[in-house]
Amino acid sequence: KQEVTQIPAALSVPEGENLVLNCSFTDSAIYNLQWFRQDPGKGLTSLLLIQSSQREQTSGRLNASLDKSSGRSTLYIAASQPGDSATYLCAVPSVNSKLTFGKGITLSVRP
Amino acid sequence: DTEVTQTPKHLVMGMTNKKSLKCEQHMGHRAMYWYKQKAKKPPELMFVYSYEKLSINESVPSRFSPECPNSSLLNLHLHALQPEDSALYLCASSLDGTGYYGYTFGSGTRLTVV
Repeated sequence: KQEVTQIPAALSVPEGENLVLNCSFTDSAIYNLQWFRQDPGKGLTSLLLIQSSQREQTSGRLNASLDKSSGRSTLYIAASQPGDSATYLCAVPSVNSKLTFGKGITLSVRP
Repeated sequence: DTEVTQTPKHLVMGMTNKKSLKCEQHMGHRAMYWYKQKAKKPPELMFVYSYEKLSINESVPSRFSPECPNSSLLNLHLHALQPEDSALYLCASSLDGTGYYGYTFGSGTRLTVV
């Protein structure tokens, strides 16, 4: 059974800092991994989708990497801003397209 | 159109009421999903429709009844809910039933059962 772990559960950083959010998964037989952002009480916004054949995906200040062999993905946020404050979830599709989510990392960027 | 639209955004209902949540997408996606999310928890899968047929029911109580009238529309009918059913209900879609091309989520319906 696929398990997805995100540690730590919460992170607080000063504005302008570059930061890395980690995601690990137990079953490396995945064909993609998706990073989402969730603001309080809102839906999930897709940030980046990395296919298993890719090692990195970039969108603006965000860069996600995927290492299937080690069961890890990282989301790099450059020059963090208070507007980046949110919960970040990683997810992988499992059998029958069921998405397995990590518990999320709640990020707070202090002005 | 690259969105999944959910209505209503907020819903308060009594335990004897009947209400429905609606989800719509016009991306040509053929798989649609209902998720339930409690505070500070990740979303939990409830139902999957693939090519308009129910393919997964995650042992959801019968007071939740999904319906997929066509490939663009997904409904969740609610009846005789309990206060513990209060949660954020998220709809999602994907191009096909594999999730290979990723998932698009809606903004959710915040449901409060009183």
